[in-house]
Amino acid sequence: DADVTQTPRNRITKTGKRIMLECSQTKGHDRMYWYRQDPGLGLRLIYYSFDVKDINKGEISDGYSVSRQAQAKFSLSLESAIPNQTALYFCATSGGWEDYGYTFGSGTRLTVV
Amino acid sequence: LAKTTQPISMDSYEGQEVNITCSHNNIATNDYITWYQQFPSQGPRFIIQGYKTKVTNEVASLFIPADRKSSTLSLPRVSLSDTAVYYCLVGDIGYGGATNKLIFGTGTLLAVQP
Repeated sequence: DADVTQTPRNRITKTGKRIMLECSQTKGHDRMYWYRQDPGLGLRLIYYSFDVKDINKGEISDGYSVSRQAQAKFSLSLESAIPNQTALYFCATSGGWEDYGYTFGSGTRLTVV
Repeated sequence: LAKTTQPISMDSYEGQEVNITCSHNNIATNDYITWYQQFPSQGPRFIIQGYKTKVTNEVASLFIPADRKSSTLSLPRVSLSDTAVYYCLVGDIGYGGATNKLIFGTGTLLAVQP
């Protein structure tokens, strides 16, 4: 099984719909992140969480919300999806000091029509 | 957060050594330098990380001069499968570090030709 699992892998939704992207990890890491990637661009940080009670906005949090249900689970919600939120979304974890490399999931390709 | 600058693209041939340089002129004392590799439609993969001098692992080497204002990722004897985007990132990765969140730029697209 993958260390970081994202569901769904692909999703097409309509403008105005609420959608949730889920992420779970088996690394035992405290830190989790959500990024989005647009074609030809790098990744942009949406939200991050350093532990279950900690939620922080990233570069582009408008239109998104997150929930850290447990150490292993971090979900991203689009309350009212719009077409310019069409992108590839990645979840990542890091262990901080002892295990500093980020581990990314395989991504969720979201299309808003 | 320290901003990084790296070439948009590079070309190489199989078997050659490839060096990708990244500049980070305003790197902070607590910042580490990390490189990631990304294939199309996949999440980035950690390659190597360093603070100063030279770091080597089974995949690559990372050279960091004394002033730490730049770094060079060296890939020995590349193959076609090394065609990917390579990101240079700078940030404080330690516990309690206020900036423990990596900010990605657009990276360097390395194209390896046969």
